Amino acid sequence: EAGVTQSPTHLIKTRGQQATLRCSPISGHTSVYWYQQALGLGLQFLLWYDEGEERNRGNFPPRFSGRQFPNYSSELNVNALELEDSALYLCASSSHRGGLNEQFFGPGTRLTVL
Amino acid sequence: AQSVTQPDIHITVSEGASLELRCNYSYGATPYLFWYVQSPGQGLQLLLKYFSGDTLVQGIKGFEAEFKRSQSSFNLRKPSVHWSDAAEYFCAVGAWMDSSYKLIFGSGTRLLVRP
Repeated sequence: EAGVTQSPTHLIKTRGQQATLRCSPISGHTSVYWYQQALGLGLQFLLWYDEGEERNRGNFPPRFSGRQFPNYSSELNVNALELEDSALYLCASSSHRGGLNEQFFGPGTRLTVL
Repeated sequence: AQSVTQPDIHITVSEGASLELRCNYSYGATPYLFWYVQSPGQGLQLLLKYFSGDTLVQGIKGFEAEFKRSQSSFNLRKPSVHWSDAAEYFCAVGAWMDSSYKLIFGSGTRLLVRP
């Protein structure tokens, strides 16, 4: 069974540009979660999508957005990039709306903003 | 507010020695508790989880953790550490808030293993 996949592995952008990160969940999983892991800040919850809808978002500005497609894959978009957006972005999927089923994580996309 | 505290930023142990990583949580209801491990440049891998029942849970790679409600703790243990265990370890609480579910992570403990 294939795990959670993310692309690209690395992404380099300049300030003000837009970044698009992609995530494919484990087959059969309907929930996708996005986390930001910035140096010194730990893992911060960004967004949760389930069945194509945004269910919850963390304490991030609106320039962080995303969507979930009918096949349950997901995109994270970051507009007007700032230097502090440099981080490892992790995607996780779950077969249940949280709770009893754990989240399985992908390898992450490392975003560098110059 | 829900939170997870991992008081040790770094821990260094000798190969073959025992290990205990501390985790304390703050959550009003019965928590879902997790330990994840992250090797450099990698995503997170689930080591073990606690939902209910036996408070001593066994995980992969020889790890175990004990849920102690009275101490609000979920410490991770391993009797004999291997060099390949060097990584960062994250404790997490699964919390329902405002009809929505999220994982709240601790800040992590980096484990270094001396040969």
